[in-house]
Amino acid sequence: GQQLNQSPQSMFIQEGEDVSMNCTSSSIFNTWLWYKQDPGEGPVLLIALYKAGELTSNGRLTAQFGITRKDSFLNISASIPSDVGIYFCAGQLSSGSARQLTFGSGTQLTVLP
Amino acid sequence: NAGVTQTPKFQVLKTGQSMTLQCAQDMNHNSMYWYRQDPGMGLRLIYYSASEGTTDKGEVPNGYNVSRLNKREFSLRLESAAPSQTSVYFCASRRVIDYTFGSGTRLTVV
Repeated sequence: GQQLNQSPQSMFIQEGEDVSMNCTSSSIFNTWLWYKQDPGEGPVLLIALYKAGELTSNGRLTAQFGITRKDSFLNISASIPSDVGIYFCAGQLSSGSARQLTFGSGTQLTVLP
Repeated sequence: NAGVTQTPKFQVLKTGQSMTLQCAQDMNHNSMYWYRQDPGMGLRLIYYSASEGTTDKGEVPNGYNVSRLNKREFSLRLESAAPSQTSVYFCASRRVIDYTFGSGTRLTVV
């Protein structure tokens, strides 16, 4: 199946610092998504990207859809304690009725006070 | 609150036992999904249902069966549980790009 390589696997940062994480794929995707998972909960959508080269922001979050359609990154600016969690990238092909998602392995973010 | 409801939240099974994980959504979504989440591996698709009356295998279907009972409900069954099925299971439903996930079922097979 398709593989998504997400890095880093974990990050420990000081409150107020900026964070960057990325995903690369061996296959092309038509849509890139970024999710956050809090402990004991399911993933929640943060940002969706639909076009190669697209740069989208959601508050302190910024994500980009790579030009090659095989990669994406997520930046978090001025981190705060509630940013703690696992961040997942996910790629989607538009073909097929079910539009399945392929997930990266996640980035565990810890924000130190 | 509108969303995806999964039951139970926790379950311990002995090897060889069977059980059904329940999932219901009240958002009138056509597509529903079952994922499993294992440490360091993200979420992997077990089965999905593009619409009521249809089901298809995902990436890791072995050892599981599903039933799309109606538009709201999509259940996952383990006929003979194995320790390798110890995982956190998530149900999701989708409208366009908007996937909504349940809060998960943590299953331990001993």
